[in-house]
Amino acid sequence: SQKIEQNSEALNIQEGKTATLTCNYTNYSPAYLQWYRQDPGRGPVFLLLIRENEKEKRKERLKVTFDTTLKQSLFHITASQPADSATYLCALDIGNYGQNFVFGPGTRLSVLP
Amino acid sequence: DVKVTQSSRYLVKRTGEKVFLECVQDMDHENMFWYRQDPGLGLRLIYFSYDVKMKEKGDIPEGYSVSREKKERFSLILESASTNQTSMYLCASSLDPNFKANYGYTFGSGTRLTVV
Repeated sequence: SQKIEQNSEALNIQEGKTATLTCNYTNYSPAYLQWYRQDPGRGPVFLLLIRENEKEKRKERLKVTFDTTLKQSLFHITASQPADSATYLCALDIGNYGQNFVFGPGTRLSVLP
Repeated sequence: DVKVTQSSRYLVKRTGEKVFLECVQDMDHENMFWYRQDPGLGLRLIYFSYDVKMKEKGDIPEGYSVSREKKERFSLILESASTNQTSMYLCASSLDPNFKANYGYTFGSGTRLTVV
């Protein structure tokens, strides 16, 4: 069956460290993968998109990798800050030229001062 | 900035009522989506639309219908609200399916619906 897993429900790290979140999937062949941030009681906010032919994408302190052989994406936040505390969701396209995405369950990140 | 506006942040309705959730986007996006989000179940797609008057069922369409009469507006309708439809409802829109501009879905702030 098709499945998307994100490494853990919750992750605590110390301020200044690098947070690494994992998104693993089975029985999908996404051409695109996205990462979103969601704060409590709000809608998700788009952060980054990476295509299957891109190994890595960066945006400021964020870095995403996409390994289609391992069926895994890693999401890194360097020099993490308490303001980075939120739930992070990965989303895979499930066909139709990237018009339709399915979301993972999310990882709740807490950055401790 | 693209904006997706959902008509209500909080809504309380009675079992059996017909409920309308409205969503409006202001950037001429072709694609619009309705999700519900529940603890432990994540975001689940209810319906989506690629164009005016078009609609496609998502993963959990039972008990819901949608309407897209204008490009900017996508309405979710609960025909006869039930307590198991208590949830956070999120509307989203997106532009070109090839994501040439490298951006994804824009979500609204959500409507927390309670059915009593």
